[in-house]
Amino acid sequence: NAGVTQTPKFQVLKTGQSMTLQCAQDMNHEYMSWYRQDPGMGLRLIHYSVGAGITDQGEVPNGYNVSRSTTEDFPLRLLSAAPSQTSVYFCASSYYEEQYFGPGTRLTVT
Amino acid sequence: AQTVTQSQPEMSVQEAETVTLSCTYDTSESDYYLFWYKQPPSRQMILVIRQEAYKQQNATENRFSVNFQKAAKSFSLKISDSQLGDAAMYFCAYSPNNNDMRFGAGTRLTVKP
Repeated sequence: NAGVTQTPKFQVLKTGQSMTLQCAQDMNHEYMSWYRQDPGMGLRLIHYSVGAGITDQGEVPNGYNVSRSTTEDFPLRLLSAAPSQTSVYFCASSYYEEQYFGPGTRLTVT
Repeated sequence: AQTVTQSQPEMSVQEAETVTLSCTYDTSESDYYLFWYKQPPSRQMILVIRQEAYKQQNATENRFSVNFQKAAKSFSLKISDSQLGDAAMYFCAYSPNNNDMRFGAGTRLTVKP
């Protein structure tokens, strides 16, 4: 049981490039979410999904897309990276009110 | 909008002593959940303790306990018998349901030997 896994752990992008952050969970949780963590701030919700085929926006959704084709996977796409998206990204899945976090991806956009 | 405020950016405690981290939140909901998460240098988010708003009794997990004051919208974390391994960032979080969790800015806890 791996829990929540995220790849890659680190990534450097140039402005304007696109990429996908991968997130997978093996706990059969319906609810999954993406957060970003910036220095001096707590985690902020980007997008979430309550089940396969259902996604919705969180607090800071601009510049990010998500989809949920399976229960296990919830990728986060940056279509055109900007320096303001430099952050640490966390994926989480939850069972009722308890969230299980992945190890995070540190993304730098130059 | 719900907001979570941690007014102490940094705290320090002597090993084996007790420390209290403060958290206040703003909400118009009557049912919700409150959490404290620990984030060590490894970046992993670790759930320390949670409290359901409808429960009067304060949650306790070993050396960690909370003081939940619903009317005051206050949710402080007390760490007793502090250990070196308790050094980390601590985040207070609020959630009315599974769909929206709001975090405070965090408190960096240093434990002095």
